[in-house]
Amino acid sequence: DTAVSQTPKYLVTQMGNDKSIKCEQNLGHDTMYWYKQDSKKFLKIMFSYNNKELIINETVPNRFSPKSPDKAHLNLHINSLELGDSAVYFCASTLSGQHEKLFFGSGTQLSVL
Amino acid sequence: AQTVTQSQPEMSVQEAETVTLSCTYDTSESDYYLFWYKQPPSRQMILVIRQEAYKQQNATENRFSVNFQKAAKSFSLKISDSQLGDAAMYFCAWSTGTASKLTFGTGTRLQVTL
Repeated sequence: DTAVSQTPKYLVTQMGNDKSIKCEQNLGHDTMYWYKQDSKKFLKIMFSYNNKELIINETVPNRFSPKSPDKAHLNLHINSLELGDSAVYFCASTLSGQHEKLFFGSGTQLSVL
Repeated sequence: AQTVTQSQPEMSVQEAETVTLSCTYDTSESDYYLFWYKQPPSRQMILVIRQEAYKQQNATENRFSVNFQKAAKSFSLKISDSQLGDAAMYFCAWSTGTASKLTFGTGTRLQVTL
């Protein structure tokens, strides 16, 4: 009964590969996010979706493509992985108008070799 | 651009003592929220405390309290009676009342010693 679940928790891959991270929430939220935490622990928003529509895209390389098939899911696909993509990726969700109540997933640690 | 600054990369406190983590922010918005998140080694982001900017009263949650100085744009976190389980990275964050994203500081690593 995890509120915001991400899979996989760990992902190790080679440079140049394409990989996806999945996120699902069972809280009935309508807004979902991807945040990236780099090796220095700095957290920054990447994308936000509201009711399956992209509302925030924070100058992320177009190798990153989020997809929201429905309000409960937000996946992140990364093409042509680079060393600098190694980070922890967090999914989060909330309800519109309650942005102060954000629920985070447990993160996906991506290591690009 | 809105920024959040945490000037203490690392802090240490003895068990049962009190520690204060600093945070300053810069914004021209009048309606916003401030947060402290805890990230233990498990990596989970845990909301510690939240403050609405329109509220003058400082938020408290058990052993955790904030000192919110709106004019000075300061939002410090005080942890009383520190416990070993408080050891973690602590992130200060900011969000507007209508925005849909958090802006984080760079974090403070808190060590708790016996």
